[in-house]
Amino acid sequence: DAGITQSPRHKVTETGTPVTLRCHQTENHRYMYWYRQDPGHGLRLIHYSYGVKDTDKGEVSDGYSVSRSKTEDFLLTLESATSSQTSVYFCAISEPGRDYGYTFGSGTRLTVV
Amino acid sequence: LAKTTQPISMDSYEGQEVNITCSHNNIATNDYITWYQQFPSQGPRFIIQGYKTKVTNEVASLFIPADRKSSTLSLPRVSLSDTAVYYCLVGDLNFNKFYFGSGTKLNVKP
Repeated sequence: DAGITQSPRHKVTETGTPVTLRCHQTENHRYMYWYRQDPGHGLRLIHYSYGVKDTDKGEVSDGYSVSRSKTEDFLLTLESATSSQTSVYFCAISEPGRDYGYTFGSGTRLTVV
Repeated sequence: LAKTTQPISMDSYEGQEVNITCSHNNIATNDYITWYQQFPSQGPRFIIQGYKTKVTNEVASLFIPADRKSSTLSLPRVSLSDTAVYYCLVGDLNFNKFYFGSGTKLNVKP
């Protein structure tokens, strides 16, 4: 989607290795989010950020950490990847009070072998 | 946060009107209702948002009864390209923290 990019788009990694996914926005939105999507579970919120250096946990935050040192970048880190973290990860952005909801990125497909 | 309940799947035929209902019994006073559409291998896309009564845009209508405990997304004259998963979300726009349910998988047949 315009204004939000995720990298990498695909990644295969080994169990126990650290992995960092990047979300970059050019919309200057205050809120940024990381979701994971697995078959049968819809989208589940991992972490979100409501400003630079301000982050909070979502419903499935165990095994994940995030950082936001600049408005435009939100990083998701798997400190030690496990097979259960094989998933599609989506980043989203939003601005409080506006009536158009989230804008999502195109997703990162992560496979942990 | 208000929990939402939607049908898991629905079938329709091209040219028909499709109505997908979402239940949100514990919706709060400041909560808005938002619907998203998701195609395979893509992120969800915003469709429509409302607070009460009826909202209409170029792709859909959203009907919200007076008690706001449910809402109905109406897609007029669906085509094969409307085959997707549709999510209903409820939340306060000023807090911007929303949880997705499992969504409704709409299958449009020729």
